[in-house]
Amino acid sequence: NAGVMQNPRHLVRRRGQEARLRCSPMKGHSHVYWYRQLPEEGLKFMVYLQKENIIDESGMPKERFSAEFPKEGPSILRIQQVVRGDSAAYFCASSLNRDGEQYFGPGTRLTVT
Amino acid sequence: TQLLEQSPQFLSIQEGENLTVYCNSSSVFSSLQWYRQEPGEGPVLLVTVVTGGEVKKLKRLTFQFGDARKDSSLHITAAQPGDTGLYLCAGESEETSGSRLTFGEGTQLTVNP
Repeated sequence: NAGVMQNPRHLVRRRGQEARLRCSPMKGHSHVYWYRQLPEEGLKFMVYLQKENIIDESGMPKERFSAEFPKEGPSILRIQQVVRGDSAAYFCASSLNRDGEQYFGPGTRLTVT
Repeated sequence: TQLLEQSPQFLSIQEGENLTVYCNSSSVFSSLQWYRQEPGEGPVLLVTVVTGGEVKKLKRLTFQFGDARKDSSLHITAAQPGDTGLYLCAGESEETSGSRLTFGEGTQLTVNP
């Protein structure tokens, strides 16, 4: 399966813990996007990365959230000191180039207890 | 803030009926995508339209991009239970730099046998 891979699919964290979400783009894709889908809301853009660079992080909360896409390995979305309001489905998408079609992974469903 | 408004929000029809879903904005989009999302999964790309007035057909699905590139529609002919799902429109606005997608809140379609 050469699609976008995300893991874990489900993640449960207690308030105050850290959450790490991983995304492996489609083969050959070097552009990665993260979106968040809160309950009863639509998908909202968070951050756009290219290998080793953050291109657009205008949708990222100012505190506790960070993202990286290293030269080797998957893209990581990191949420520190999680709160209940962080509970959501987090989706990663990848594209071949900057204006290319975005293909989504299956998502990571984060539950903060 | 660019906003894509989808209508209707919910649609329940009988097998064999036709339906149209609308996606409207006051902003101009350089491209617009339609996705379908199943529960617990990520959005799956159906089509991309980029030219004002463009019409694309995918079996029983017809997609149209408005002449001014501010609106789009999805028409399904002779709906089947397998068409049930959440249909999302998403666009790349000309007003924003980068490649982030702005999503509508979706149309939940249920096709009853």
